[in-house]
Amino acid sequence: KAGVTQTPRYLIKTRGQQVTLSCSPISGHRSVSWYQQTPGQGLQFLFEYFSETQRNKGNFPGRFSGRQFSNSRSEMNVSTLELGDSALYLCASRYRGQLNYEQYFGPGTRLTVT
Amino acid sequence: GQNIDQPTEMTATEGAIVQINCTYQTSGFNGLFWYQQHAGEAPTFLSYNVLDGLEEKGRFSSFLSRSKGYSYLLLKELQMKDSASYLCAVRVFTGGGNKLTFGTGTQLKVEL
Repeated sequence: KAGVTQTPRYLIKTRGQQVTLSCSPISGHRSVSWYQQTPGQGLQFLFEYFSETQRNKGNFPGRFSGRQFSNSRSEMNVSTLELGDSALYLCASRYRGQLNYEQYFGPGTRLTVT
Repeated sequence: GQNIDQPTEMTATEGAIVQINCTYQTSGFNGLFWYQQHAGEAPTFLSYNVLDGLEEKGRFSSFLSRSKGYSYLLLKELQMKDSASYLCAVRVFTGGGNKLTFGTGTQLKVEL
């Protein structure tokens, strides 16, 4: 079974631009969560999608948004990029019926904002 | 809000046992996870505890005490490949559902 895939793997953007990141979950997984990872703050929860609906949201500004498609693929968008948005963005998928709530992480997208 | 504390760094010797502690303060506690993350790689799931007690899985064990807001990850027979960051994460039920809050991780270095 193929793992979680994320595209692109690396991205360099300029302040003020916007960016869209993509995540394809493991086949059969309908829950997708997004995280931001930085050296100072660690892993921080952005949002979770299930059945094309946002189920939960972390404490990030409205510049961070996402969506999920009917095939469970998810996208994350950051508008008006700031230098502080430079981070590794991870997505994770899980099968909602799994009792241990195990999430499978993708390799991440490394975003650098200059 | 949630507060999760774990040591920043630990060093241990190959073949030894190491215990990584995690304390948390949170409302709506709904489970605790441990993840392993090697440098430059994605986190991988190690364990999940929701009830008090010890869960053993091979060389790795995880313990939870909900009344004390405390968990530990025990790694036995350490190997060099165990050098990684170990992330403690608390699952919290909010009005809209569950979400994970991660600690900043414990960087474990295994030496010869």
